[in-house]
Amino acid sequence: EAQVTQNPRYLITVTGKKLTVTCSQNMNHEYMSWYRQDPGLGLRQIYYSMNVEVTDKGDVPEGYKVSRKEKRNFPLILESPSPNQTSLYFCASSNRDHVNEQFFGPGTRLTVL
Amino acid sequence: QQQVKQSPQSLIVQKGGISIINCAYENTAFDYFPWYQQFPGKGPALLIAIRPDVSEKKEGRFTISFNKSAKQFSLHIMDSQPGDSATYFCAAISNFGNEKLTFGTGTRLTIIP
Repeated sequence: EAQVTQNPRYLITVTGKKLTVTCSQNMNHEYMSWYRQDPGLGLRQIYYSMNVEVTDKGDVPEGYKVSRKEKRNFPLILESPSPNQTSLYFCASSNRDHVNEQFFGPGTRLTVL
Repeated sequence: QQQVKQSPQSLIVQKGGISIINCAYENTAFDYFPWYQQFPGKGPALLIAIRPDVSEKKEGRFTISFNKSAKQFSLHIMDSQPGDSATYFCAAISNFGNEKLTFGTGTRLTIIP
């Protein structure tokens, strides 16, 4: 089954404790992206990657890191999480030429205390 | 700066009625306008999309109306059903070197019996 998977689905952590949210896709997509979803703000892009070893900042990259060492994986790293990073996070992927049609993962709900 | 403005934030429609969600954009370079549907606990999924060379696109009960001069587009759901209850996001993208979707803030649609 073609899908984007994220782990964990739910995470409660404390301020300053480094964490990684994993994302993997099995559709051989070049493009991958991370979004955060907050009430009243919609979906805002954090980082995206057009291919292996190529990453770029989205609209809200502060406090986040990403890496793209393999085509299928695109982890999101929070080096020192803060309460304002409490949010619902989505990973998405698409073919490079069809960024308008992205396939989203199920989401990771993160709470930073 | 919100480049795609979406309204209303929430909408309640009676079963069988017409649901209408509106979006407006500022960037005239946008040339593809998808709508995404998100059910509770799930990631968004592409529902329907339109290019600005047509004024309307219909797929089943879902229709996008597009007004290029006004820089507005809207989603109409005819004969709304309880199963249509979801959050809807409009989005826009420029396919000329722009590698990101810009999303609206979302509309939470509830269809009541």
